[in-house]
Amino acid sequence: SQELEQSPQSLIVQEGKNLTINCTSSKTLYGLYWYKQKYGEGLIFLMMLQKGGEEKSHEKITAKLDEKKQQSSLHITASQPSHAGIYLCGGSSYGKLTFGQGTILTVHP
Amino acid sequence: DADVTQTPRNRITKTGKRIMLECSQTKGHDRMYWYRQDPGLGLRLIYYSFDVKDINKGEISDGYSVSRQAQAKFSLSLESAIPNQTALYFCATSDLKLSGANVLTFGAGSRLTVL
Repeated sequence: SQELEQSPQSLIVQEGKNLTINCTSSKTLYGLYWYKQKYGEGLIFLMMLQKGGEEKSHEKITAKLDEKKQQSSLHITASQPSHAGIYLCGGSSYGKLTFGQGTILTVHP
Repeated sequence: DADVTQTPRNRITKTGKRIMLECSQTKGHDRMYWYRQDPGLGLRLIYYSFDVKDINKGEISDGYSVSRQAQAKFSLSLESAIPNQTALYFCATSDLKLSGANVLTFGAGSRLTVL
């Protein structure tokens, strides 16, 4: 089965700082999905990447998928307290999503 | 109303009790999923269903069962709850045909505590 490893497991930054979360797959990814979760709440879809080398941005969040489609990164520019939460990457395989263990992001004002 | 509704949102029960978590959706999606979330372990897939007549086990199905009563309803049962089933449970839906991508829409979660 596909395994996804996220790093770091937790991250504490000062407001205004940039940060990067990584997601590495044991197999080639045919779809990589980034979600955000506020503590104890449901997951909100952020972005999906499918093609090697693909990059997408939304507001201050940029996600990239490497050419080999086994690694993805999520970059937040000028972080804000509203960015705090748990970020999870998900990989699509045979119609279902397998998730990484999540990265807990804390942003101090 | 939410697109994906889970009930109950919180439940405390005792070891050995039967518990049912219910999920209903208004998105018209064919596919429905049940995940559980534990700290440090991310989301793990319990069961999934691609249509009303299709039920599949996920990576951690032992101790759980599901029923797809209709396209819009997918329930998860714990026949005899045990403490290590204490977790946050999520229902999700998707429709690959609509978008060509398997974007999941999640419910708000059901927090289950087994004493």
